[in-house]
Amino acid sequence: GAVVSQHPSRVICKSGTSVKIECRSLDFQATTMFWYRQFPKKSLMLMATSNEGSKATYEQGVEKDKFLINHASLTLSTLTVTSAHPEDSSFYICSARPGQENYEQYFGPGTRLTVT
Amino acid sequence: AQSVSQHNHHVILSEAASLELGCNYSYGGTVNLFWYVQYPGQHLQLLLKYFSGDPLVKGIKGFEAEFIKSKFSFNLRKPSVQWSDTAEYFCAVYSSASKIIFGSGTRLSIRP
Repeated sequence: GAVVSQHPSRVICKSGTSVKIECRSLDFQATTMFWYRQFPKKSLMLMATSNEGSKATYEQGVEKDKFLINHASLTLSTLTVTSAHPEDSSFYICSARPGQENYEQYFGPGTRLTVT
Repeated sequence: AQSVSQHNHHVILSEAASLELGCNYSYGGTVNLFWYVQYPGQHLQLLLKYFSGDPLVKGIKGFEAEFIKSKFSFNLRKPSVQWSDTAEYFCAVYSSASKIIFGSGTRLSIRP
C-alpha cells in the first residue's frame, strides 16, 4: 500500500524558534498533500492544501506567514512553524493524494510538536 | 459546505458486543464517504469508503458501513468487537473543494 512518512516524529523547540516538518510519499507521486492539526481528543483540522509547484491554499483562520508550506517535489512537502509559541504545540499530520481523480488520501504517522 | 457529525463521543463495549457508530453528513451533491481508524499511537488508516454502487460497504477487519441517502447517514457497524478494536474512529466526507472533512471522532473502548 501507499506509504507516507513524516520526519521528525517528535520535536521539542523553544519559543521563538522555527521548526520544519517533512512529509514524504515513499512509493507514489503526490500531486497534492494536506496538512492537518490534531488537538488532544479532537478531530483533525485541515490547515492547508499543498499542490506541487504552486502556493499552498490555507484554510480560514490559519496564518500563512506562521505556517509556511513548501511542496518542492511530487514526493515532498514541508511545513515550517515559524516563531513558535507554546500554543502551537500539537500533533501535525500530513496526507498525500496520488492524483486528481483519486479521492483517497494516505496519512503520515504524525509529528508531535512541543514548544517550551 | 459539506460537514460530518459524529454524535457518539465515547463508546464503551464489552468484547463480543455489536457495534454501531453514528455518522451523519450534510448534503452537497455527490457524496463520497469514509471511515478512518486511529489505533493508539498509530497513524490514521482507511477502514472503508463509499463512492457509488452498493450502499452496504465492507471494509477491513470485519467492519461495514451502510450509506442511507434518505437519512444522510453512513453508520459504521461490526457484529462482534474485539479488544483490539479499541481506537478512535473518524467519519469523513470528500468535499466539493477536493478536501476530506473529518467528523469529531468517536473513541471506542473495549472491555476485555
